[in-house]
Amino acid sequence: GAVVSQHPSRVICKSGTSVKIECRSLDFQATTMFWYRQFPKKSLMLMATSNEGSKATYEQGVEKDKFLINHASLTLSTLTVTSAHPEDSSFYICSASEPGGMNSGANVLTFGAGSRLTVL
Amino acid sequence: GEDVEQSLFLSVREGDSSVINCTYTDSSSTYLYWYKQEPGAGLQLLTYIFSNMDMKQDQRLTVLLNKKDKHLSLRIADTQTGDSAIYFCAESRRSSASKIIFGSGTRLSIRP
Repeated sequence: GAVVSQHPSRVICKSGTSVKIECRSLDFQATTMFWYRQFPKKSLMLMATSNEGSKATYEQGVEKDKFLINHASLTLSTLTVTSAHPEDSSFYICSASEPGGMNSGANVLTFGAGSRLTVL
Repeated sequence: GEDVEQSLFLSVREGDSSVINCTYTDSSSTYLYWYKQEPGAGLQLLTYIFSNMDMKQDQRLTVLLNKKDKHLSLRIADTQTGDSAIYFCAESRRSSASKIIFGSGTRLSIRP
């Protein structure tokens, strides 16, 4: 089945530095990927929809200059947390639509394993 | 209230059935999903149901949808220790099929 690889799985950084998280679709092409943020005991919050070859679509309240998304190829989307602060510490998860999933109507998503960011 | 709501915790005895409930608010929901998240991992799609269906069964999993009450449930028969996880209810809408809205997740724990 479809596999999405996310890297790194854990990262610790100092306040003020930038961190890049990669999301790759390993055996399929993903024109659309999604980035979520998960707070403890909370739902997944959709941050943005990443579209290959075009600008990402950000959800209301998400700072696009803070969370830079680049989807330069059909298999790779990156999320860069710029000038990270302790409040950015969270679990970030990406997902991609499986081929044919959207055509069937149901949006069948394959998720990466997530990246836990800790900002000191 | 939130678009998709679930209770936070459920504890069941091994071998019993687990029933995880979910309510949603938008009547335009077209597909409803159940995802499973194991500790430190991403989400795994368990099953989904189209809004014009009222039941879907897949091995130990049974999904019931009451569209009138906007209520979705997931029943896991013969619950095993490997079923311990967080279960997320989610929906997608006709107006924005690419966006999936998740509930807060129900943590299922299994007692021996």
